[in-house]
Amino acid sequence: ILNVEQSPQSLHVQEGDSTNFTCSFPSSNFYALHWYRWETAKSPEALFVMTLNGDEKKKGRISATLNTKEGYSYLYIKGSQPEDSATYLCASLNTGGFKTIFGAGTRLFVKA
Amino acid sequence: EPEVTQTPSHQVTQMGQEVILRCVPISNHLYFYWYRQILGQKVEFLVSFYNNEISEKSEIFDDQFSVERPDGSNFTLKIRSTKLEDSAMYFCASSEGPGGETQYFGPGTRLLVL
Repeated sequence: ILNVEQSPQSLHVQEGDSTNFTCSFPSSNFYALHWYRWETAKSPEALFVMTLNGDEKKKGRISATLNTKEGYSYLYIKGSQPEDSATYLCASLNTGGFKTIFGAGTRLFVKA
Repeated sequence: EPEVTQTPSHQVTQMGQEVILRCVPISNHLYFYWYRQILGQKVEFLVSFYNNEISEKSEIFDDQFSVERPDGSNFTLKIRSTKLEDSAMYFCASSEGPGGETQYFGPGTRLLVL
């Protein structure tokens, strides 16, 4: 994989549902994987930075895992709330940690 | 809470004109970045900057682009002769350390080239 791919492109869930999305990234020369939450008309807000294979990070109802050998990361949201509605971006950085490749994002809609 | 600021929030310019986009990173941060997002496309990396020099740049960042940290506070992106395809949202970001550290994004400058 030479690109960062995210799936699904968009997701509609009901309030209270748990959900997850995938980020696939180049596993060679991997340095770090960032997850961002991006609300309309705002700037991307950092959720997690992950560097080690097997990393798991958690912030409230949101958590993420990292598999650097196979080049994927999952983002999980437990008990989705309407305020979770946003675009979730992942970005992969190469060795040296300076050049970033973004995915296209997963657009989450949570209906009350 | 400290935040990255950008000015202007919107800029409209004529093709061929020079524009300077300004950013004030978080004060104790050492690494600085410019990204852009053309409407409907992915966010794209332009350039990273550390210790008063470019650390890495993308293929997009050609001779028409330059960055500068003129006074230890501002971090600027200059586009010398704008093209229609430079129309995009430009984001500045900063971090304490390189890629394994959290990057904090500014609110962006919407550039429209006519």
